[in-house]
Amino acid sequence: GQQLNQSPQSMFIQEGEDVSMNCTSSSIFNTWLWYKQDPGEGPVLLIALYKAGELTSNGRLTAQFGITRKDSFLNISASIPSDVGIYFCAGQLGSGGGADGLTFGKGTHLIIQP
Amino acid sequence: DGGITQSPKYLFRKEGQNVTLSCEQNLNHDAMYWYRQDPGQGLRLIYYSQIVNDFQKGDIAEGYSVSREKKESFPLTVTSAQKNPTAFYLCASSKVGVYNEQFFGPGTRLTVL
Repeated sequence: GQQLNQSPQSMFIQEGEDVSMNCTSSSIFNTWLWYKQDPGEGPVLLIALYKAGELTSNGRLTAQFGITRKDSFLNISASIPSDVGIYFCAGQLGSGGGADGLTFGKGTHLIIQP
Repeated sequence: DGGITQSPKYLFRKEGQNVTLSCEQNLNHDAMYWYRQDPGQGLRLIYYSQIVNDFQKGDIAEGYSVSREKKESFPLTVTSAQKNPTAFYLCASSKVGVYNEQFFGPGTRLTVL
């Protein structure tokens, strides 16, 4: 199946710093999604992207759908302690009204030092 | 409150036993999904269903079975044929349409002894 390469694998930053992470794929996706997962919990949807080139914000989070449809990035500005967790990118092939499964990256573990 | 529930949160079983994980949603979503997560890894798709009485295999369906008799429910059975069943299992649901982002339940951690 498809694979998503997510980087970096982990990040150690100071509170207040900006964060950037990205995902790349050898395949085209029609939807890109970014999730955050806390230990022992289900992933929580942060941002959904549906059009190539789309740039979407959700508070301090900004994500973009790459123009080639093979990549996406997520930025977090002015990090705070509750941003700690694992961030996953996910791509979906489905288009035209269908609903199929997601392909996930392996995650970026964000650790914030006060 | 609308949402997705999975039960139980923790499940222990002996090797060779089948076990069924529950997933219920009251979001009126047509599509439901099961994923498996291993430590330090992303999620991998086991099965999904876009409509009642129909489902499709995902990337790692071997050793698992599902049913979709009701729109709200999508139980997953981990059979004795699954070689490495110990994992964190996550259920999700979505609308079927252009904007079909998936929302996840809290997960069930299965440990096979």
